[in-house]
Amino acid sequence: ETGVTQTPRHLVMGMTNKKSLKCEQHLGHNAMYWYKQSAKKPLELMFVYNFKEQTENNSVPSRFSPECPNSSHLFLHLHTLQPEDSALYLCASSPGTTNIQYFGAGTRLSVL
Amino acid sequence: GENVEQHPSTLSVQEGDSAVIKCTYSDSASNYFPWYKQELGKGPQLIIDIRSNVGEKKDQRIAVTLNKTAKHFSLHITETQPEDSAVYFCAATFDSGSARQLTFGSGTQLTVLP
Repeated sequence: ETGVTQTPRHLVMGMTNKKSLKCEQHLGHNAMYWYKQSAKKPLELMFVYNFKEQTENNSVPSRFSPECPNSSHLFLHLHTLQPEDSALYLCASSPGTTNIQYFGAGTRLSVL
Repeated sequence: GENVEQHPSTLSVQEGDSAVIKCTYSDSASNYFPWYKQELGKGPQLIIDIRSNVGEKKDQRIAVTLNKTAKHFSLHITETQPEDSAVYFCAATFDSGSARQLTFGSGTQLTVLP
């Protein structure tokens, strides 16, 4: 257990569906991250939140919408996704004062 | 921005042998270099890291070396065991004391053969 919990672990959705991924950390960290992991590609940073404020958005399409209501919770809202969005979506957190990041187990997303 | 190259993409070793994974980075300002291990069905887990003010760091069977001049760093695993089989990722960033982007390598699938 890393202290970072992601739900659901697996998700299958159609291109017209709306779903949300959830991440919760019990480490008292101030920074939270969303990454996309596709086969045989480096982890791609999507969003960074520091003290609930979004500090980085790496040119992510608007069909991905993050939400950070507090420092312990992070959501990724999904709508009208494409099959190429199928991937493992990883959440991570860090103290905010260093870059030691702790990852959750991820949500395996399949878009049909 | 930073670019991290990682080699090899796959590596098979006999149990008990050593394994070495190498990474190069492009941004000379980078000063923090973590290594992550990802087992099947799990997220990446930090196994060791090094900062640019040191050249080598060891933790039991794992060691990391850093050559700032050449801008490359390596992971060394000695006396490999089957449970070392996993995907290993290197990363680099400039750690200024606030949340920053880690740039990851593309990963190395290590298989330790019994």
